Amino acid sequence: KAGVTQTPRYLIKTRGQQVTLSCSPISGHRSVSWYQQTPGQGLQFLFEYFSETQRNKGNFPGRFSGRQFSNSRSEMNVSTLELGDSALYLCASSLFRALQETQYFGPGTRLLVL
Amino acid sequence: AQTVTQSQPEMSVQEAETVTLSCTYDTSENNYYLFWYKQPPSRQMILVIRQEAYKQQNATENRFSVNFQKAAKSFSLKISDSQLGDTAMYFCASMRVDSNYQLIWGAGTKLIIKP
Repeated sequence: KAGVTQTPRYLIKTRGQQVTLSCSPISGHRSVSWYQQTPGQGLQFLFEYFSETQRNKGNFPGRFSGRQFSNSRSEMNVSTLELGDSALYLCASSLFRALQETQYFGPGTRLLVL
Repeated sequence: AQTVTQSQPEMSVQEAETVTLSCTYDTSENNYYLFWYKQPPSRQMILVIRQEAYKQQNATENRFSVNFQKAAKSFSLKISDSQLGDTAMYFCASMRVDSNYQLIWGAGTKLIIKP
């Protein structure tokens, strides 16, 4: 069974632009969570989607948004990019919310904002 | 709010030795999970081991085991017979088991296994 895939793997943007990252969960998994990883702040929870609905959101500004499609694929969008948005963005999937204790992570998308 | 603390930024041991990574956490919840994740240089985050807080028995996965001290809110990871492939960042994390399914992460420990 294929693992969690994230596209693109690397991205370079400039301040003020917007970006969309994609995550395809493991087949059959319905829950997708997003995390931001930076050297300074470490790993921080962005949001969680289940059955096309955002169930939980971390402490990030409204510039960070996401959505989930009927096939459980998820996208996250960051508008008006800032230098501090440079990070590795990790997506994780799990079968159901109640089984979120087993999350499987994708390889991440490394975003560089210039 | 939940917090997770890893006090060892970096550790290194010789191959085949045993190493213990420390983790302490703070939570007011009674029902929660604790995890150790491994992130090798390739960046793919991998679950190493997990522990349900209501279970007194320490979790074990092959060469990996935990020492879960609930009263002390301590959750250390022991790696026995360490291998070169164990070189990675190790993150301790906790998760409340309620409507708020999010992982709270420690800052990580960089583990280097030397040949």
